[in-house]
Amino acid sequence: AQKITQTQPGMFVQEKEAVTLDCTYDTSDQSYGLFWYKQPSSGEMIFLIYQGSYDEQNATEGRYSLNFQKARKSANLVISASQLGDSAMYFCAMREGNGYSTLTFGKGTMLLVSP
Amino acid sequence: DGGITQSPKYLFRKEGQNVTLSCEQNLNHDAMYWYRQDPGQGLRLIYYSQIVNDFQKGDIAEGYSVSREKKESFPLTVTSAQKNPTAFYLCASRPPRQGWYNEQFFGPGTRLTVL
Repeated sequence: AQKITQTQPGMFVQEKEAVTLDCTYDTSDQSYGLFWYKQPSSGEMIFLIYQGSYDEQNATEGRYSLNFQKARKSANLVISASQLGDSAMYFCAMREGNGYSTLTFGKGTMLLVSP
Repeated sequence: DGGITQSPKYLFRKEGQNVTLSCEQNLNHDAMYWYRQDPGQGLRLIYYSQIVNDFQKGDIAEGYSVSREKKESFPLTVTSAQKNPTAFYLCASRPPRQGWYNEQFFGPGTRLTVL
């Protein structure tokens, strides 16, 4: 079974609107962390936001917020006020077990922002 | 400037040849990682190293080899045993601080094409 599932291969949004990118995860660990990365066409991976399994509040970083629903095992990324520069691939990733374990990535969602 | 460098950005090799991809970091990070990305896919872990002179296989280590003789350097060799080596290769490192909120920092990547 896949540990990270991103069901939206592609998403379209108009500039200045909000968009939600879905991510569900599968783990039996109580302690884990969830990450979102952005990959522009240049290929670099840019860290956006992090949510810990014990964090009681949803993480926020500027225009990015994470809608964390632990019981449903979902960690959706919300981008508010989309900009043209937000067009990129977005990856959800999870770290399980101890804090030194590796990341498992989903297959990603391509976001296109139109003027 | 601190960061992760990967060279070259584009690499072409003939089938059957071994090729080594460079990854250098001056961030004083202990842990380093190699990922492979195929078109439309997420990142898959090839090898990782938590400390100098130690490394572990990831999910798709077959046909690859690594070394970690220096903290700053983690070269990846793609051997002729790798059946389908054409891909985008990303190197990452991680700070030594403990805890969950410990994202990986990525290099710009190397696009390897085997002819």
